[in-house]
Amino acid sequence: DADVTQTPRNRITKTGKRIMLECSQTKGHDRMYWYRQDPGLGLRLIYYSFDVKDINKGEISDGYSVSRQAQAKFSLSLESAIPNQTALYFCATGTTGRWGGEQFFGPGTRLTVL
Amino acid sequence: SQELEQSPQSLIVQEGKNLTINCTSSKTLYGLYWYKQKYGEGLIFLMMLQKGGEEKSHEKITAKLDEKKQQSSLHITASQPSHAGIYLCGSSFQGAQKLVFGQGTRLTINP
Repeated sequence: DADVTQTPRNRITKTGKRIMLECSQTKGHDRMYWYRQDPGLGLRLIYYSFDVKDINKGEISDGYSVSRQAQAKFSLSLESAIPNQTALYFCATGTTGRWGGEQFFGPGTRLTVL
Repeated sequence: SQELEQSPQSLIVQEGKNLTINCTSSKTLYGLYWYKQKYGEGLIFLMMLQKGGEEKSHEKITAKLDEKKQQSSLHITASQPSHAGIYLCGSSFQGAQKLVFGQGTRLTINP
């Protein structure tokens, strides 16, 4: 079984709809991350969490919210989806380390907002 | 502007040829990670470099970290179709406790 799973893998929705992307991990890591990937822009950090009570905004958090329901679960919500949120979304977990540590990525969720 | 710039952004090489991808930072590097992504899939960790001058190899892929130049290079020897994909460098800058990524280099291997 995969260590980091994401659901759904693909989603098409309409502008204004609320969407939740879910991430689960079995690696036992405290740190979890949400990124989006757009062509030519690499990965950009949306939110990150160092433990259940510690949630932080990344570089592009506007329009997104997150919930860390448990050590193993970290969900990303788009309260009112807009077309420029069409992207590939990745969840990752991370080891603790002085400079951030290695990260392990899920397979991604391809989201299309019409 | 990107804190990590990768070059080239796209690379097409003949199978069997060598190639190099560069990652240049606008800040001092304290740790540099290389990942590979197959098209539309998740990222796979390749290597982590932490010390200036450090060099690591895995199969036919070698990565080096030059802290003075704030740069890392990824070199593939005798490329194969399995090397095709997007290569991303990432780094956690001092105090950041999170990774920043370059924009990626798309590698195509022609048979």
